[in-house]
Amino acid sequence: AQSVSQHNHHVILSEAASLELGCNYSYGGTVNLFWYVQYPGQHLQLLLKYFSGDPLVKGIKGFEAEFIKSKFSFNLRKPSVQWSDTAEYFCAVSNEKLTFGTGTRLTIIP
Amino acid sequence: DTEVTQTPKHLVMGMTNKKSLKCEQHMGHRAMYWYKQKAKKPPELMFVYSYEKLSINESVPSRFSPECPNSSLLNLHLHALQPEDSALYLCASSQVLRGGGNTGELFFGEGSRLTVL
Repeated sequence: AQSVSQHNHHVILSEAASLELGCNYSYGGTVNLFWYVQYPGQHLQLLLKYFSGDPLVKGIKGFEAEFIKSKFSFNLRKPSVQWSDTAEYFCAVSNEKLTFGTGTRLTIIP
Repeated sequence: DTEVTQTPKHLVMGMTNKKSLKCEQHMGHRAMYWYKQKAKKPPELMFVYSYEKLSINESVPSRFSPECPNSSLLNLHLHALQPEDSALYLCASSQVLRGGGNTGELFFGEGSRLTVL
């Protein structure tokens, strides 16, 4: 069975700081990888996705993620965060069904 | 705004009530999903419909009964729920691949927040 680990439960940063959220998955076969974001009071929405090809993928709002197959990782990065990035971030993997990690709550201090 | 519409946004029901949650999408997606999300937890898959047929039931108690009347609509019928069933219920949809699976790129509604008294 596939599983996803997000080791950062709550991250607090000041505006303009750089961000990296960790995500590791376990599955022996081919998976698709995702980061979803849930802004306060809003619906869950796709931030970025990796299916194949270039392991560095760019998403919306300046976010990017790097797939490192040897490390089973798909970490999310942003060079300079904004207050509006305050949200819950979920890493997810999909083979036959979508499995979410436990989530990382990101709080940006103005 | 999301293209997956869920109603009602909030629902309060007693343990003996019967109620339904509704979900609608007009993106032409042929897979639809119900997820349950407790506070500060990730969404947990409950049911998957593919081409209006139930394809995955994650061992959900029978007090939750899904229904997919057509390719655009998904219902979740609720009966004799328990207080621990209080949660945010999320509907999602996606395309179906030729082989029958999906890419995992799901489009979510805003959810129906259910409180069981």
